[in-house]
Parts: sequence; structure tokens; C-alpha cells
Amino acid sequence: ETVLTQSPATLSLSPGERATLSCRASQNIEIYLAWYQQKPGQAPRLLIYDTSNRATGIPARFSGSGSGTDFTLTISSLEPEDFAVYYCQQRRNWPPITFGQGTRLEIK
Amino acid sequence: EVQLLESGGGLVQPGGSLRLSCAASGFTFSTYAMTWVRQAPGKGLEWVSNIHNDGGTAYADSVKGRFTVSRDNSKSTLYLQMNSLRIEDTALYYCAKTMGGLDIHFDHWGQGTVVTVSS
Repeated sequence: ETVLTQSPATLSLSPGERATLSCRASQNIEIYLAWYQQKPGQAPRLLIYDTSNRATGIPARFSGSGSGTDFTLTISSLEPEDFAVYYCQQRRNWPPITFGQGTRLEIK
Repeated sequence: EVQLLESGGGLVQPGGSLRLSCAASGFTFSTYAMTWVRQAPGKGLEWVSNIHNDGGTAYADSVKGRFTVSRDNSKSTLYLQMNSLRIEDTALYYCAKTMGGLDIHFDHWGQGTVVTVSS
């Protein structure tokens, strides 16, 4: 099973700041990583797929990078609506499909 | 517009059964793999099962042998038959649509249906 480890667990930032979230895989997953955003009481929303491709309707301030085992989600300038929980997910080595444990992005 | 509407959740005793449904619309259901993902209260996301458009299935070890995923393409509906339910199966169950082909990332999600296993 490919374990995804996200860091930090919680990130406290202010609107307008840059956010950098990390996801590390326990084995090579090439570029097959996605990022999701989940707000309280809502279903997850796909932000980025295959490391760096923005999903439909996702603002350009969201970007993804990495390959192999180390991946990053960057939010260039935080908007108030960006404060949420973020999950990474891999599709290279499955079953099982695995998710990271999440990073909570909170307002400082 | 893609819509996924789950139903069938509820309160069940340990050892009991439930059947979840996910009614899909707004896309050609028969051509996409579909998945079930669950989220225990206050916890993260856990993949449960996939079913491909050709009917091939896959399961998490935690539910293998107890849960069965199926689909009715004529009704654009996804199902999850859950037997021998355990307390640890308590969660919000989401159905999600994959992006197509071999791309098992999930571009649309339903709002979920709650399953509570308790005596």
C-alpha cells in the first residue's frame, strides 16, 4: 500500500499570504497525484490532478508540482474562501487508492 | 451538469446490512468508472470500492468480503451492498465519478449518505 503523508497537519496563515502544502508518498507514484479541498459540511472538490493540472473552474492561484515521492500544492495568495482541509490522493499503485490524512489550512 | 445523489443510509445494528444507491445524471454514466469513498466522523477520506465501466471491481481490505459494489447502467445508478456491518463502518459515504479511462481521480462527488452502525 502506498502511504501518503501530508505536512504540516495544520497551517495557520493570513489572507494574502502564500500557502505551501506537502504530500510525500511511501513509494514512487510518478505524477499520479491529485489534490482535493474540503470545507465543513461539504463534499471534497477536485483542485489538481496528475500533479499539476487544474480541474475545471479552479482559480489560477492554485498550482501543483512534484514527481516521484514528493509533491506540493501552492496557493499563491490566500483568499478567505481557501481556508479548508486539503487532501492528496494517489492513483499509481492501487488497489488500494489512498489519501493523505489531510492538512487543515486555518486563518491566523 | 453532473449530479450524484446518494441514498440508503441509516442506523443499523452491528452485523446488519444496508444498500446504498447513487443516482447519476448529466453525463454518460456507462462510460465512467465510479467509486465509493467514506469519511468517519471527524476523520479523513478513505477509499472503499471502485467499479469500472466494464464491471471490474476493487475493494479496500477493510470491506473485502462484506461489501459488494455494482452498477445498473440502464438506470445510471451505482450501488453498494454492505453486509456484516461493524461499528467502524460508521461514516458518511460518498459516491464519486472518475475522470475517465484509467484516470482514477474523482472530479465530481455527491453530498453523501450517513451510515451509523450502533447497538
